[in-house]
Amino acid sequence: GAVVSQHPSWVICKSGTSVKIECRSLDFQATTMFWYRQFPKQSLMLMATSNEGSKATYEQGVEKDKFLINHASLTLSTLTVTSAHPEDSSFYICSASRNVYEQYFGPGTRLTVT
Amino acid sequence: GENVEQHPSTLSVQEGDSAVIKCTYSDSASNYFPWYKQELGKRPQLIIDIRSNVGEKKDQRIAVTLNKTAKHFSLHITETQPEDSAVYFCAASRQGNMLTFGGGTRLMVKP
Repeated sequence: GAVVSQHPSWVICKSGTSVKIECRSLDFQATTMFWYRQFPKQSLMLMATSNEGSKATYEQGVEKDKFLINHASLTLSTLTVTSAHPEDSSFYICSASRNVYEQYFGPGTRLTVT
Repeated sequence: GENVEQHPSTLSVQEGDSAVIKCTYSDSASNYFPWYKQELGKRPQLIIDIRSNVGEKKDQRIAVTLNKTAKHFSLHITETQPEDSAVYFCAASRQGNMLTFGGGTRLMVKP
């Protein structure tokens, strides 16, 4: 149990376009989902915390108007990178919380903005 | 907020030897300490975790120890194998809250 999927696994887009990434908990309900960003050879940096039915909480320095998060149901959260630029190229990983402690990660989405 | 520091950043051991990775945290209210293994280009996988009400937890070749007074916790891998080679991340959180990750340790196990 505790499987989290993420789609797409990789995406290439042109500068100025928007990209949507989906995160799903497949076999459990997740009241909280998290979105991370990971640059090569670096640690995971939390971008935002997403609770079902409420607005996401963004970490300091993360532009909420650029990284739109929607947690529509207990099994689905989406991250939309709006007006993407090359500096937004990164590995985006979501995680879903099954209980008050454990987080399980999706496989990640590699975004390349050209 | 929480700050987690992890050492060493790289660790090279011979197959069969033990590996130890250490983390310190700053928030005394943190009560959950997971360890993740991440292979290149893949998702972090939870390998072991410990809660603040215990001092040690073991699962086969992997063990984690926690010293709440000193605010540090460690991952111990015994009888290392080449497939243990990966990046390991420690993390800390309060119950129900976000994880704060350490900087990661690249473990290389030489056959």
